Amino acid sequence: QKEVEQNSGPLSVPEGAIASLNCTYSDRVSQSFFWYRQYSGKSPELIMSIYSNGDKEDGRFTAQLNKASQYVSLLIRDSQPSDSATYLCAVSGGYNKLIFGAGTRLAVHP
Amino acid sequence: KAGVTQTPRYLIKTRGQQVTLSCSPISGHRSVSWYQQTPGQGLQFLFEYFSETQRNKGNFPGRFSGRQFSNSRSEMNVSTLELGDSALYLCASSLGRGRGEQYFGPGTRLTVT
Repeated sequence: QKEVEQNSGPLSVPEGAIASLNCTYSDRVSQSFFWYRQYSGKSPELIMSIYSNGDKEDGRFTAQLNKASQYVSLLIRDSQPSDSATYLCAVSGGYNKLIFGAGTRLAVHP
Repeated sequence: KAGVTQTPRYLIKTRGQQVTLSCSPISGHRSVSWYQQTPGQGLQFLFEYFSETQRNKGNFPGRFSGRQFSNSRSEMNVSTLELGDSALYLCASSLGRGRGEQYFGPGTRLTVT
């Protein structure tokens, strides 16, 4: 059983729309949750971290965490073609071990 | 502040050889984690070092090893290379305490022939 699950996509959205990316995890004791963006041929870039239930907003990005449902999501408002990338959900697994989902490929078309 | 650096960026090795990869964390960061990324398995955790001590280890064979120096720079070594070891090897640095936000280096692309 995979510990962190994401829809592989591709998720295709028009420019200016809201992109919604979802992630579920299996370990109830996980305390820290992260979203990384990875462009093709590049390394992952941290874009959001969230630790408490609820929403956390940073610019066009909003992370949502529901520990009871073991669910994390990332909303990208006013999506731009430059947002086209693979988005990786990561969950802490103790002592700086991150458990990653397989990633969701997002395509924003003009 | 300078980011995480990794050397070399690209490497081609032959089966059976060994390889050493290097990672320099962000200044002030004391934790270095290593990950392997492949198309089939995604991003997988190898091990983590903090203050020269390995605190956590993933499910990789003993051919994969690492160490950390007193200046927080880290190396990982892979012995007796196999074709399946071809991957992007990423290191990530963090403060080592607190909630563990990790910042990745550019990676080393290893190809085993």
